Amino acid sequence: QKEVEQNSGPLSVPEGAIASLNCTYSDRGSQSFFWYRQYSGKSPELIMFIYSNGDKEDGRFTAQLNKASQYVSLLIRDSQPSDSATYLCAVTLSGGSYIPTFGRGTSLIVHP
Amino acid sequence: NAGVMQNPRHLVRRRGQEARLRCSPMKGHSHVYWYRQLPEEGLKFMVYLQKENIIDESGMPKERFSAEFPKEGPSILRIQQVVRGDSAAYFCASSPPGASPNEQFFGPGTRLTVL
Repeated sequence: QKEVEQNSGPLSVPEGAIASLNCTYSDRGSQSFFWYRQYSGKSPELIMFIYSNGDKEDGRFTAQLNKASQYVSLLIRDSQPSDSATYLCAVTLSGGSYIPTFGRGTSLIVHP
Repeated sequence: NAGVMQNPRHLVRRRGQEARLRCSPMKGHSHVYWYRQLPEEGLKFMVYLQKENIIDESGMPKERFSAEFPKEGPSILRIQQVVRGDSAAYFCASSPPGASPNEQFFGPGTRLTVL
Protein backbone atom coordinates (compact mmCIF):
# COMPACT_ATOMS: atom_id res chain seq x y z
CA GLN A 1 0.00 0.00 0.00
CA LYS A 2 1.52 3.25 -1.11
CA GLU A 3 1.14 5.88 1.59
CA VAL A 4 1.76 9.49 2.34
CA GLU A 5 2.17 10.28 6.00
CA GLN A 6 1.77 13.56 7.80
CA ASN A 7 1.54 14.53 11.45
CA SER A 8 -2.02 15.68 11.94
CA GLY A 9 -0.99 18.36 14.43
CA PRO A 10 -2.09 20.91 15.26
CA LEU A 11 1.21 22.67 14.82
CA SER A 12 1.07 25.96 16.68
CA VAL A 13 3.56 28.73 15.95
CA PRO A 14 3.67 32.40 16.89
CA GLU A 15 3.18 35.06 14.27
CA GLY A 16 6.44 35.83 12.49
CA ALA A 17 8.01 32.44 13.18
CA ILE A 18 8.95 29.73 10.68
CA ALA A 19 6.43 26.93 10.36
CA SER A 20 7.89 23.59 9.29
CA LEU A 21 5.56 20.95 7.89
CA ASN A 22 6.79 17.48 7.08
CA CYS A 23 5.62 14.62 4.91
CA THR A 24 7.01 11.15 4.26
CA TYR A 25 6.07 8.76 1.49
CA SER A 26 6.53 5.07 1.06
CA ASP A 27 6.97 4.60 -2.70
CA ARG A 28 10.50 5.19 -3.95
CA GLY A 29 9.10 5.56 -7.45
CA SER A 30 7.31 8.77 -6.53
CA GLN A 31 7.99 11.50 -9.03
CA SER A 32 6.10 14.65 -8.19
CA PHE A 33 5.35 16.30 -4.89
CA PHE A 34 2.77 18.90 -4.01
CA TRP A 35 1.64 21.00 -1.12
CA TYR A 36 -1.98 22.16 -0.92
CA ARG A 37 -3.49 24.57 1.55
CA GLN A 38 -7.06 23.97 2.66
CA TYR A 39 -8.98 26.42 4.79
CA SER A 40 -11.77 25.00 6.88
CA GLY A 41 -14.81 24.27 4.74
CA LYS A 42 -13.01 25.21 1.53
CA SER A 43 -11.39 23.36 -1.35
CA PRO A 44 -7.67 22.58 -1.59
CA GLU A 45 -5.47 25.17 -3.23
CA LEU A 46 -2.10 24.26 -4.73
CA ILE A 47 0.67 26.38 -3.24
CA MET A 48 3.87 24.54 -4.17
CA PHE A 49 5.11 21.68 -6.30
CA ILE A 50 8.58 20.21 -6.56
CA TYR A 51 10.05 17.50 -8.76
CA SER A 52 13.80 17.51 -8.03
CA ASN A 53 15.87 17.05 -4.92
CA GLY A 54 16.71 20.23 -3.10
CA ASP A 55 14.87 23.41 -2.27
CA LYS A 56 12.33 25.40 -4.20
CA GLU A 57 11.36 28.84 -3.00
CA ASP A 58 8.29 30.90 -3.80
CA GLY A 59 7.80 33.99 -1.70
CA ARG A 60 7.47 32.98 1.94
CA PHE A 61 7.18 29.30 1.01
CA THR A 62 10.04 26.84 0.53
CA ALA A 63 9.54 23.22 -0.45
CA GLN A 64 12.34 20.80 0.33
CA LEU A 65 12.63 17.38 -1.24
CA ASN A 66 14.92 14.54 -0.21
CA LYS A 67 14.20 11.47 -2.33
CA ALA A 68 16.84 9.34 -0.63
CA SER A 69 15.12 9.81 2.71
CA GLN A 70 11.66 9.91 1.14
CA TYR A 71 10.48 13.07 2.70
CA VAL A 72 9.25 16.43 1.53
CA SER A 73 8.77 19.45 3.71
CA LEU A 74 7.21 22.87 3.50
CA LEU A 75 8.64 25.87 5.31
CA ILE A 76 6.58 28.99 5.80
CA ARG A 77 8.63 32.01 6.80
CA ASP A 78 7.22 34.98 8.66
CA SER A 79 4.05 33.03 9.45
CA GLN A 80 0.84 35.03 9.51
CA PRO A 81 -2.50 34.24 11.16
CA SER A 82 -3.91 33.97 7.64
CA ASP A 83 -1.64 30.96 7.10
CA SER A 84 -3.71 29.04 9.63
CA ALA A 85 -5.12 26.14 7.64
CA THR A 86 -4.63 22.46 6.95
CA TYR A 87 -1.72 21.66 4.66
CA LEU A 88 -2.03 18.59 2.48
CA CYS A 89 0.97 16.81 1.05
CA ALA A 90 0.37 14.94 -2.23
CA VAL A 91 2.58 12.63 -4.24
CA THR A 92 2.31 11.11 -7.69
CA LEU A 93 3.99 7.91 -8.73
CA SER A 94 6.11 7.00 -11.69
CA GLY A 95 4.63 5.38 -14.77
CA GLY A 96 2.64 8.26 -16.11
CA SER A 97 -0.10 8.31 -13.51
CA TYR A 98 -1.23 11.83 -12.79
CA ILE A 99 -3.38 10.84 -9.87
CA PRO A 100 -1.94 12.24 -6.64
CA THR A 101 -2.06 10.36 -3.36
CA PHE A 102 -2.81 12.72 -0.50
CA GLY A 103 -1.76 12.68 3.12
CA ARG A 104 -4.29 13.43 5.83
CA GLY A 105 -2.94 16.91 6.30
CA THR A 106 -1.32 18.91 9.08
CA SER A 107 -3.32 21.59 10.84
CA LEU A 108 -1.31 24.78 11.31
CA ILE A 109 -2.30 27.47 13.78
CA VAL A 110 -0.48 30.78 13.72
CA HIS A 111 -1.30 32.77 16.82
CA PRO A 112 -0.79 36.54 17.12
CA ASN B 1 -12.96 32.86 -16.82
CA ALA B 2 -15.08 30.86 -14.45
CA GLY B 3 -13.38 28.24 -12.34
CA VAL B 4 -14.53 24.72 -11.69
CA MET B 5 -18.16 24.74 -10.69
CA GLN B 6 -19.90 22.21 -8.53
CA ASN B 7 -23.50 21.97 -7.52
CA PRO B 8 -25.21 21.68 -5.29
CA ARG B 9 -22.82 23.02 -2.66
CA HIS B 10 -24.74 21.27 0.08
CA LEU B 11 -26.91 18.21 -0.30
CA VAL B 12 -28.95 16.44 2.33
CA ARG B 13 -30.30 12.98 1.66
CA ARG B 14 -31.99 10.33 3.75
CA ARG B 15 -30.65 6.82 3.83
CA GLY B 16 -31.64 4.90 0.73
CA GLN B 17 -32.06 7.94 -1.51
CA GLU B 18 -29.92 8.82 -4.49
CA ALA B 19 -27.40 11.65 -4.57
CA ARG B 20 -26.34 13.33 -7.80
CA LEU B 21 -23.34 15.63 -7.74
CA ARG B 22 -22.47 17.78 -10.72
CA CYS B 23 -19.18 19.24 -11.85
CA SER B 24 -18.55 21.67 -14.69
CA PRO B 25 -14.83 21.91 -15.51
CA MET B 26 -13.01 25.08 -16.32
CA LYS B 27 -13.33 26.29 -19.88
CA GLY B 28 -10.94 24.39 -22.10
CA HIS B 29 -10.51 21.56 -19.61
CA SER B 30 -11.51 18.12 -20.78
CA HIS B 31 -10.29 16.05 -17.83
CA VAL B 32 -12.24 15.67 -14.61
CA TYR B 33 -11.24 14.04 -11.34
CA TRP B 34 -13.49 13.25 -8.40
CA TYR B 35 -12.20 13.06 -4.83
CA ARG B 36 -13.87 12.33 -1.52
CA GLN B 37 -12.83 13.80 1.80
CA LEU B 38 -14.18 12.20 4.92
CA PRO B 39 -14.07 14.16 8.19
CA GLU B 40 -10.52 14.44 9.55
CA GLU B 41 -9.11 12.59 6.55
CA GLY B 42 -7.23 13.54 3.44
CA LEU B 43 -8.53 13.55 -0.07
CA LYS B 44 -9.10 10.16 -1.60
CA PHE B 45 -9.11 9.79 -5.36
CA MET B 46 -12.25 8.21 -6.76
CA VAL B 47 -12.35 8.45 -10.54
CA TYR B 48 -10.71 10.17 -13.51
CA LEU B 49 -12.76 10.87 -16.61
CA GLN B 50 -12.39 12.43 -20.00
CA LYS B 51 -15.29 13.25 -22.26
CA GLU B 52 -17.34 10.06 -22.68
CA ASN B 53 -14.57 7.92 -21.17
CA ILE B 54 -13.69 6.61 -17.75
CA ILE B 55 -9.90 6.57 -17.62
CA ASP B 56 -9.27 5.37 -14.07
CA GLU B 57 -11.90 4.32 -11.57
CA SER B 58 -9.60 2.50 -9.18
CA GLY B 59 -10.79 4.61 -6.25
CA MET B 60 -14.49 4.08 -6.77
CA PRO B 61 -16.38 1.81 -4.37
CA LYS B 62 -17.52 -1.28 -6.22
CA GLU B 63 -21.20 -0.77 -5.50
CA ARG B 64 -23.64 2.14 -5.54
CA PHE B 65 -21.19 4.65 -7.02
CA SER B 66 -20.96 5.63 -10.68
CA ALA B 67 -19.62 8.54 -12.67
CA GLU B 68 -19.99 9.89 -16.14
CA PHE B 69 -18.75 12.80 -18.22
CA PRO B 70 -20.97 13.07 -21.28
CA LYS B 71 -20.08 14.82 -24.50
CA GLU B 72 -22.33 17.69 -23.51
CA GLY B 73 -22.98 18.89 -19.99
CA PRO B 74 -21.33 18.44 -16.64
CA SER B 75 -19.71 15.41 -15.10
CA ILE B 76 -22.04 13.55 -12.75
CA LEU B 77 -21.12 11.52 -9.70
CA ARG B 78 -24.06 9.38 -8.68
CA ILE B 79 -24.45 7.61 -5.37
CA GLN B 80 -27.36 5.22 -5.14
CA GLN B 81 -28.99 4.11 -1.90
CA VAL B 82 -26.88 6.41 0.22
CA VAL B 83 -25.76 5.38 3.69
CA ARG B 84 -24.51 7.53 6.56
CA GLY B 85 -20.93 6.60 5.77
CA ASP B 86 -21.28 8.43 2.45
CA SER B 87 -21.46 11.75 4.31
CA ALA B 88 -18.39 13.63 3.15
CA ALA B 89 -17.16 16.48 1.02
CA TYR B 90 -16.87 15.55 -2.63
CA PHE B 91 -14.46 17.60 -4.68
CA CYS B 92 -14.10 17.77 -8.41
CA ALA B 93 -10.94 18.94 -10.13
CA SER B 94 -10.31 19.62 -13.79
CA SER B 95 -7.28 19.95 -16.02
CA PRO B 96 -6.55 20.59 -19.68
CA PRO B 97 -5.43 17.72 -21.93
CA GLY B 98 -1.95 16.44 -21.19
CA ALA B 99 -1.66 18.37 -17.94
CA SER B 100 0.35 17.33 -14.94
CA PRO B 101 -1.19 17.38 -11.45
CA ASN B 102 0.03 20.89 -10.77
CA GLU B 103 -2.51 21.97 -13.34
CA GLN B 104 -5.47 20.44 -11.55
CA PHE B 105 -7.88 23.04 -10.25
CA PHE B 106 -10.40 22.16 -7.60
CA GLY B 107 -14.01 23.15 -7.40
CA PRO B 108 -15.63 24.35 -4.16
CA GLY B 109 -16.96 20.91 -3.34
CA THR B 110 -20.33 19.41 -2.51
CA ARG B 111 -20.95 18.58 1.11
CA LEU B 112 -23.21 15.56 1.34
CA THR B 113 -25.02 14.82 4.55
CA VAL B 114 -26.92 11.58 4.89
CA LEU B 115 -29.52 11.54 7.64
